[in-house]
Amino acid sequence: GQQLNQSPQSMFIQEGEDVSMNCTSSSIFNTWLWYKQDPGEGPVLLIALYKAGELTSNGRLTAQFGITRKDSFLNISASIPSDVGIYFCAGPGDYKLSFGAGTTVTVRA
Amino acid sequence: DAGVTQSPTHLIKTRGQQVTLRCSPKSGHDTVSWYQQALGQGPQFIFQYYEEEERQRGNFPDRFSGHQFPNYSSELNVNALLLGDSALYLCASSLGAGSTDTQYFGPGTRLTVL
Repeated sequence: GQQLNQSPQSMFIQEGEDVSMNCTSSSIFNTWLWYKQDPGEGPVLLIALYKAGELTSNGRLTAQFGITRKDSFLNISASIPSDVGIYFCAGPGDYKLSFGAGTTVTVRA
Repeated sequence: DAGVTQSPTHLIKTRGQQVTLRCSPKSGHDTVSWYQQALGQGPQFIFQYYEEEERQRGNFPDRFSGHQFPNYSSELNVNALLLGDSALYLCASSLGAGSTDTQYFGPGTRLTVL
């Protein structure tokens, strides 16, 4: 099956920092999706990318669809405390989404 | 506009028992997908229901079964529970079979098997 690898596995952020995470795949995707999951909640779609090379923003979030169609990255600028959570990349396939294992973002005390 | 709802929120069962989880899709959606999310992992696709039929299935044993009702709500049944079935079970709804990038997720049911 399709394997999505996310890095880093976890990160600590300080308020105001810019953070970056990425996702690579063993297969080509025609769409890349980025989700955020808060404790006790289901994943919420942040950004959808539909074209190789595409750069898309949603507020302080920016994501890019890699040229090879096998990778994507997500940047968070000027992080705030509510950015903590788990960020997942996902690729759509036949009827289903394949998810990475997630990047856990925690605020550094 | 009601989003995806799931019940119950939490559930504790013992090995060998059977469990039924329920999902009501977002208003206007007709397709329900179920995912299992183990601790520290991303969601794994179990199956998708559309027009009251299972349209696609992930790599899960026959102990996992489902149903979709005429009002588009859905149930996930798991028989002969194993310790490894402990997970967060997520329901996602969408419009039209096969649709993936427009799936909306519910808050999940946390199942603990003792």
